[in-house]
Amino acid sequence: RKEVEQDPGPFNVPEGATVAFNCTYSNSASQSFFWYRQDCRKEPKLLMSVYSSGNEDGRFTAQLNRASQYISLLIRDSKLSDSATYLCVVNMYVAYKYIFGTGTRLKVLA
Amino acid sequence: DGGITQSPKYLFRKEGQNVTLSCEQNLNHDAMYWYRQDPGQGLRLIYYSQIVNDFQKGDIAEGYSVSREKKESFPLTVTSAQKNPTAFYLCASSPQGAITEAFFGQGTRLTVV
Repeated sequence: RKEVEQDPGPFNVPEGATVAFNCTYSNSASQSFFWYRQDCRKEPKLLMSVYSSGNEDGRFTAQLNRASQYISLLIRDSKLSDSATYLCVVNMYVAYKYIFGTGTRLKVLA
Repeated sequence: DGGITQSPKYLFRKEGQNVTLSCEQNLNHDAMYWYRQDPGQGLRLIYYSQIVNDFQKGDIAEGYSVSREKKESFPLTVTSAQKNPTAFYLCASSPQGAITEAFFGQGTRLTVV
């Protein structure tokens, strides 16, 4: 089983739609969780850290479910500019490294 | 402006040559990382360093070497022993190891010709 798993997609959604991605992780000792956005042939950029209580940043909401070992990202009112690959990242700070999912590709259609 | 600078952006290497990819940060971060990304795949860790003069092998260290002589700099050498070096290489740093978020440079795209 992979340490971090994501549905690769692509998720094709119309502008204005709400879309949600899940990411599962295998190690219950994981301590920190992040969502990154990566555009084609560019570096990943931090979208949100994910906190235990859940957090929201504008149209983006992230949730953590430790019991089921997954994190989620919800995007409301999708924009064309949201088209990108979304990477789930978890860490075990004991191991001092980040574990990256392979990413979920989102295409927002006009 | 603070950030991470990778150079060059594009690099072409002949088979059998060693090449060194530069990574410099002025964020005063202790931890630095090198990742490799192949098309359609996730990031794989090559090497990481938590502190100056110390570094650890990641998951795919064979054929690569690093040094961490200064806090700001973490160069990666791709040696001729790396059998399939063509890839997108990303350098990252973080202030507190993997507890906090990582920040990435713009990447170096290496092609073997």
